[in-house]
Amino acid sequence: DTGVSQNPRHKITKRGQNVTFRCDPISEHNRLYWYRQTLGQGPEFLTYFQNEAQLEKSRLLSDRFSAERPKGSFSTLEIQRTEQGDSAMYLCASSRAGASNQPQHFGDGTRLSIL
Amino acid sequence: AQTVTQSQPEMSVQEAETVTLSCTYDTSENNYYLFWYKQPPSRQMILVIRQEAYKQQNATENRFSVNFQKAAKSFSLKISDSQLGDTAMYFCAFMFLLGQGGSEKLVFGKGTKLTVNP
Repeated sequence: DTGVSQNPRHKITKRGQNVTFRCDPISEHNRLYWYRQTLGQGPEFLTYFQNEAQLEKSRLLSDRFSAERPKGSFSTLEIQRTEQGDSAMYLCASSRAGASNQPQHFGDGTRLSIL
Repeated sequence: AQTVTQSQPEMSVQEAETVTLSCTYDTSENNYYLFWYKQPPSRQMILVIRQEAYKQQNATENRFSVNFQKAAKSFSLKISDSQLGDTAMYFCAFMFLLGQGGSEKLVFGKGTKLTVNP
């Protein structure tokens, strides 16, 4: 169990640029989640995959955001035309399907700063 | 909609003492799960303790225990014998099933910043 891995750890970009983050879940976990955490707040759910299928998207996920999990393993989260309000920590979590109390394991997150 | 409220933005405790963090939630669901997560400064979020709503017995994990009051929709965390390493943000979180095989997204509170003083 190597844990959930997220890259990069930090991303600084100018407003209007596109950014992409990557998440590698724990290998035997088929569920993958993206959350966004702003300063002083708890994480907010963005989207969820079971294997390669994106089963739920939050209304927080505007059309500038897109997430993929092409082979049911790693996932990418892309933000197009970034805005100041996109500055946040983006957290990825994974869990194993089965009993409903399987905990979600979180990565270290990618901190996005928009200049 | 489900909401989670943590009414204590910050708390502090002396090393070796006991502290209780409060959490209330609002839901119409009957089958759900509650969690406390710990997020140390600049480190990843880790699970501290979890409670199934259908279980009346309060969960315990070593120095961590919960007081789950389902009727009052309250889920407090007690940390006994506080240690310096307990300094962190603590998040209360709620999870329910969206149908069989459905999403199990977590709904988090805003967190309580706990500082353990030597």
